[in-house]
Amino acid sequence: GAVVSQHPSRVICKSGTSVKIECRSLDFQATTMFWYRQFPKQSLMLMATSNEGSKATYEQGVEKDKFLINHASLTLSTLTVTSAHPEDSSFYICSARAPAPEPFFGPGTRLTVL
Amino acid sequence: AQSVTQPDIHITVSEGASLELRCNYSYGATPYLFWYVQSPGQGLQLLLKYFSGDTLVQGIKGFEAEFKRSQSSFNLRKPSVHWSDAAEYFCAVGGGSGGGADGLTFGKGTHLIIQP
Repeated sequence: GAVVSQHPSRVICKSGTSVKIECRSLDFQATTMFWYRQFPKQSLMLMATSNEGSKATYEQGVEKDKFLINHASLTLSTLTVTSAHPEDSSFYICSARAPAPEPFFGPGTRLTVL
Repeated sequence: AQSVTQPDIHITVSEGASLELRCNYSYGATPYLFWYVQSPGQGLQLLLKYFSGDTLVQGIKGFEAEFKRSQSSFNLRKPSVHWSDAAEYFCAVGGGSGGGADGLTFGKGTHLIIQP
């Protein structure tokens, strides 16, 4: 149990386009989902926290108009990178939390912006 | 603000030797503590976690960690490493007092190299 999926696993896009990444909890309802970003050879940094049916909370320095988060249901959260640029190329990882305190991580999405 | 320090960026260990990866945290309340392993290009795999109770926790792949509140540490140990243990290791702290509602704060990671 406690499986989190992400789609797509890899995406390559042109500069200026928007990319949507999905995060799904497959066998549990996630009250809260988190989005992290990991640049090459660096650690994971929390970008935002989303709760179903409410606006996401963004960490300091993360542009909320650039990284749109929608948590439409208890099993799905989406991250849309708008007008992506090469500096947005990164590994994006989501995690989902059920009532238990342990978060479950998705496998990640590697975004490459040309 | 919470923080995690992994003082060793790289560690090289001979296969079969013991391993200890250090982790110190700063958190204003009771922390939830985690160790993850990540292979190149892959996602995170949870090795072990501490929420409460016995301060020595056992994890997968023969790893264990000890929570020492007085030292604000949660060091990871393994008695005998295997070549397949070569990877990046991350220590993370989460919001215990908030019921886990906060996201995790990760350390910068320790890159483990195994010598034959």
